[in-house]
Amino acid sequence: EAGVTQSPTHLIKTRGQQATLRCSPISGHTSVYWYQQALGLGLQFLLWYDEGEERNRGNFPPRFSGRQFPNYSSELNVNALELEDSALYLCASSLEMGITDGYTFGSGTRLTVV
Amino acid sequence: DQQVKQNSPSLSVQEGRISILNCDYTNSMFDYFLWYKKYPAEGPTFLISISSIKDKNEDGRFTVFLNKSAKHLSLHIVPSQPGDSAVYFCAARIEYSGGGADGLTFGKGTHLIIQP
Repeated sequence: EAGVTQSPTHLIKTRGQQATLRCSPISGHTSVYWYQQALGLGLQFLLWYDEGEERNRGNFPPRFSGRQFPNYSSELNVNALELEDSALYLCASSLEMGITDGYTFGSGTRLTVV
Repeated sequence: DQQVKQNSPSLSVQEGRISILNCDYTNSMFDYFLWYKKYPAEGPTFLISISSIKDKNEDGRFTVFLNKSAKHLSLHIVPSQPGDSAVYFCAARIEYSGGGADGLTFGKGTHLIIQP
């Protein structure tokens, strides 16, 4: 069974540009979560999608947005990139809504803003 | 304001001995706690969890203890093995009565190094 896959693995963008990060959940998982891990910080909750709807978002500005597609894959968009957006972005999926024990994380996308 | 704190960025333990990783939290609304393990270039993997109605949960070599009055939990690994070398994240969750849950709140992690 394929795990959670994220693409690209690495992404380098210029300040002010937009970044799009992608996540494919484990087959059958309907919930997708996005987390940011900036240097020296723990994982910060960004967004939670389930059945195509945004269920909750963390304390991030509106320029962080995303969506979930009918096949449950998800996209995270970061607009007007700032240097401090440089971080590892992790996606996780779970079989049931809000079941955190069953989180399976992908390996992440390393975003570097220059 | 960090609601989940792991005050030790790193911990070095000899193989075969006990590893104790600590975690403190400030939000009394947290009612479920989890530990995740992360190897370099991989995503975190779920290790063990504990509900706030319990004070101990055991799974093989891993035991998590919860002291609600002190808002403190710890992960014990006995005996420690070389493959346990990884970053360990403590996480907490608030379960809403409406079903589902908020995202997890993670600590900054503790890098455990098992020395031969």
